[in-house]
Amino acid sequence: DIQMTQSPSSLSASAGDRVTITCRASLGISNSLAWYQQKPGEAPKLLLFAASRLKSGVPSRFSGSGSGPDYTLTISSLQPEDSATYYCQQYYSASWTFGQGTKVEIK
Amino acid sequence: EVQLVESGGGLVQPGGSLRLSCAASGLTFSSFWMHWVRQAPGKGLEWVSRIDSGGSSTIYADSVKGRFTISRDNAKNTLYLQMNSLRAEDTAVYYCARGLFRDDYTPWGQGTLVTVSS
Repeated sequence: DIQMTQSPSSLSASAGDRVTITCRASLGISNSLAWYQQKPGEAPKLLLFAASRLKSGVPSRFSGSGSGPDYTLTISSLQPEDSATYYCQQYYSASWTFGQGTKVEIK
Repeated sequence: EVQLVESGGGLVQPGGSLRLSCAASGLTFSSFWMHWVRQAPGKGLEWVSRIDSGGSSTIYADSVKGRFTISRDNAKNTLYLQMNSLRAEDTAVYYCARGLFRDDYTPWGQGTLVTVSS
């Protein structure tokens, strides 16, 4: 199985800050990577797929980058409504795997 | 409206069985591989199982292999998860999810809660 290592596990930042979350796969996954946002009591919501493609309707302050095994989710200017847990997910393998999650809090 | 709606969860005793359903609407269900993903209370996301579009190929996480069976009825636009020999560690919200990632990706449903407890 492909292992996904996500960091940090949590972070606290102020509104307007630039925030970066990283995800490393145990092998190259050819940009087959998705990022989700999950708020308490809600289902995960897809933000980006193919590592850098923003799903329509998602604010442009969210962006993704990376290649090979290493990927990054960036929130360019953190907003109060971005308080949530974020997960990366590889779909290179038919058996998906997820990162452990990053809880983002607003100071 | 494009949506996935899970149902069938509930409270079951250890060793018991439960069948979950996922009703798809607004998408060409028979075209997509489908997955089950679960989330234990306060924990992260765990992939459970996948079935191909025709229903002939299935794979499972090691944690459920031999106990869970994924299936689908394309005529009814419905995905299933038969769960047998349930354990306390199977307690989770179970989500169904579409397999093909593109801009028209179908949002996950709200999930269905399975609680295994005596």
